[in-house]
Amino acid sequence: KAGVTQTPRYLIKTRGQQVTLSCSPISGHRSVSWYQQTPGQGLQFLFEYFSETQRNKGNFPGRFSGRQFSNSRSEMNVSTLELGDSALYLCASSFLGTGTDTQYFGPGTRLTVL
Amino acid sequence: DAKTTQPNSMESNEEEPVHLPCNHSTISGTDYIHWYRQLPSQGPEYVIHGLTSNVNNRMASLAIAEDRKSSTLILHRATLRDAAVYYCILRAHNNAGNMLTFGGGTRLMVKP
Repeated sequence: KAGVTQTPRYLIKTRGQQVTLSCSPISGHRSVSWYQQTPGQGLQFLFEYFSETQRNKGNFPGRFSGRQFSNSRSEMNVSTLELGDSALYLCASSFLGTGTDTQYFGPGTRLTVL
Repeated sequence: DAKTTQPNSMESNEEEPVHLPCNHSTISGTDYIHWYRQLPSQGPEYVIHGLTSNVNNRMASLAIAEDRKSSTLILHRATLRDAAVYYCILRAHNNAGNMLTFGGGTRLMVKP
């Protein structure tokens, strides 16, 4: 089975622009979660989608949004980029997203905001 | 999810066993204990999880204290490839969604 894939792997944007990141989960997985990783804050949960519906949301401003398509692929969007949005954005998928479910992470998208 | 406490870093010699501790004194009866690790320049990967009994898999063993207030991840023979940040995470058993709350983790350094 192919793993979780994320595109693009690297991205450079300037302040004020917007960006869209893409995640393709493992085939058959219905839950997709997004995380932000920075040296200062570590790994922080952004949001989770399950069957095209947002099921959980972390403590991030409304500039961060996402969606999930009927094939479980997910995108996240960040509008009006700020320097502090520079981070590694990780996507993870799991079959059902229950407490015992294993999450499989992609390699991440490294976003640099100049 | 309840909070976990881990040492910031640990060092081990190659081919020796490693015991990575985790304290979770506020764990509830339905919380599972999960361990993930993140190798350099990669996303986190699942290692092992358990509820009450000790668990073994091809990667590691998980020893859970009788009162469940602490647990230990055991790597039986550390290799250089095991150098990573190890995260101990508690997850509720109910279908509350798929959110992992990561703490700071333990950075494991393996010396040849």
